[in-house]
Amino acid sequence: AQSVTQLDSHVSVSEGTPVLLRCNYSSSYSPSLFWYVQHPNKGLQLLLKYTSAATLVKGINGFEAEFKKSETSFHLTKPSAHMSDAAEYFCVVSQAGNMLTFGGGTRLMVKP
Amino acid sequence: DAGITQSPRYKITETGRQVTLMCHQTWSHSYMFWYRQDLGHGLRLIYYSAAADITDKGEVPDGYVVSRSKTENFPLTLESATRSQTSVYFCASSELAGKQPQHFGDGTRLSIL
Repeated sequence: AQSVTQLDSHVSVSEGTPVLLRCNYSSSYSPSLFWYVQHPNKGLQLLLKYTSAATLVKGINGFEAEFKKSETSFHLTKPSAHMSDAAEYFCVVSQAGNMLTFGGGTRLMVKP
Repeated sequence: DAGITQSPRYKITETGRQVTLMCHQTWSHSYMFWYRQDLGHGLRLIYYSAAADITDKGEVPDGYVVSRSKTENFPLTLESATRSQTSVYFCASSELAGKQPQHFGDGTRLSIL
């Protein structure tokens, strides 16, 4: 069975400071991992994906994530937060078959 | 523009009524999915479809019916709506299952009174 744990339900940062959203996963086999962002009243938008190529994955809007197999982690980072980054972020694992497993989400707040 | 569209965006109905949520995608993706999003439960898979005329249950299928007569459409029907089905519903599609990401619509906010 696979599972995803997002370690923080809420993260608050100041504009211009780094962002770190933490994600740990559990998977029996080599997983694919995704980060999605959800703005209010919108669907989920793909930020980036890891599919067993490079362990450091670059996504849209300056986000990146590093796959660490030894730590079963896939943390999302951004060097400098922008007000428009305020949203909910989901770490998602995909294994064999059609099922995605979603983390519980992390709400990112950006203070001016 | 290509994409995935859901309709209606908002719907209010009464318990016992039948309601159908529409989902249309222009990518010709093989796979389509229906999720519901609720506070405290995250996103849960209701049904999915691997191709036209092929559907399968997800985590929470009770009370829902789907069909897929055409690749581009995947309607979700609540045959007799209950208050517990008040939720935000998301449709998604992907080119392939598993390793490929899913692309989501903007959701339908459904309230059942």
